[in-house]
Amino acid sequence: KNEVEQSPQNLTAQEGEFITINCSYSVGISALHWLQQHPGGGIVSLFMLSSGKKKHGRLIATINIQEKHSSLHITASHPRDSAVYICAVRRIGKLVFGAGTILRVKS
Amino acid sequence: DAGVTQSPTHLIKTRGQQVTLRCSPISGHKSVSWYQQVLGQGPQFIFQYYEKEERGRGNFPDRFSARQFPNYSSELNVNALLLGDSALYLCASSWWGRVYGYTFGSGTRLTVV
Repeated sequence: KNEVEQSPQNLTAQEGEFITINCSYSVGISALHWLQQHPGGGIVSLFMLSSGKKKHGRLIATINIQEKHSSLHITASHPRDSAVYICAVRRIGKLVFGAGTILRVKS
Repeated sequence: DAGVTQSPTHLIKTRGQQVTLRCSPISGHKSVSWYQQVLGQGPQFIFQYYEKEERGRGNFPDRFSARQFPNYSSELNVNALLLGDSALYLCASSWWGRVYGYTFGSGTRLTVV
């Protein structure tokens, strides 16, 4: 079993829909990261969380340390949000990544 | 400020050859990590360096090695390339000692033929 599990693996949404991507992990962590990867490979860090909730524009990330679970929400989704969203946990100084969620937002 | 820069951006090598990938961290960042991302999967940790010393190593064979220079830039070397080494190699820089965020480079796309 992978240390970091993401769901869903693939997600197609219509423009304007509210989107949720989930991440569960099975080990102790010092922080959890949500990352965005566009075609071509470059990774952009969206959030780093160790507790609670963070918001940036239309993106919201939450984490529940007791349940070892985090969610990334996108409100009013737009085609430019189409990308791979990756959850990664920081453990003993290194990042352990989930497999990613491929999001496609159709206009 | 320049972000994390990686070179080259793309590379094609033949099986058995050796390759060197380079990474320059953000100014002020003293820690560099390397990750391998095979198509369709999440990145896998290879190495972490801080102050020129290896501080972590993932589950990769000894064909993979790395080093960090006094200016905190880093090189990843892979010897005796296999077809399975074809991947996107990502470098990330960060501060050390506290939980800070990471900044990623755009990666080097290595194709082994």
